[in-house]
Amino acid sequence: NAGVTQTPKFQVLKTGQSMTLQCAQDMNHNSMYWYRQDPGMGLRLIYYSASEGTTDKGEVPNGYNVSRLNKREFSLRLESAAPSQTSVYFCASSERRGSGNTIYFGEGSWLTVV
Amino acid sequence: GENVEQHPSTLSVQEGDSAVIKCTYSDSASNYFPWYKQELGKRPQLIIDIRSNVGEKKDQRIAVTLNKTAKHFSLHITETQPEDSAVYFCAASPNTDKLIFGTGTRLQVFP
Repeated sequence: NAGVTQTPKFQVLKTGQSMTLQCAQDMNHNSMYWYRQDPGMGLRLIYYSASEGTTDKGEVPNGYNVSRLNKREFSLRLESAAPSQTSVYFCASSERRGSGNTIYFGEGSWLTVV
Repeated sequence: GENVEQHPSTLSVQEGDSAVIKCTYSDSASNYFPWYKQELGKRPQLIIDIRSNVGEKKDQRIAVTLNKTAKHFSLHITETQPEDSAVYFCAASPNTDKLIFGTGTRLQVFP
């Protein structure tokens, strides 16, 4: 049981390049998320998916697209990377239950855009 | 949408002292309030949570209190130890599908 697995762990991009961050969870969770973490800004929600086939914008969706490929996988795509997208990206998942979700995070992906 | 404010941004305490981190939220519909701990270079991990039908919850040296009327919730760590040094995040859930985080508190515990 690996939990939430995301790849790559480290990536350097040039401005204007595109890339996809991959995420998979093996906990049979319904909900999946992408957050970015910047110093002093906390964890900000980019996109989330409440269930397979649905996606919704979070706090900072501009410049990103997502795909919920199936129940296990939720990918984040940067179509034209910008230096402002330099950040640590965390994928997460939760089992939708009751009045709240316990969210489990992946190990993070460190992305630098030069 | 929901907005979560967290204070202080940094907190230094002597080993054995208590530490308190406070958060406020804006959306009265929020009903779930977890706290996450993130050690340097690691992923955030849940340490305690509280739901809106409870005013206080305790787990060994950590406790969380919730005041729904004032839209405040707080994390209390007693008898702090060096291994408590980390960044702590509060969060609020305005619905069952997403979680909005505060900006984090860097706690340093000095021996």
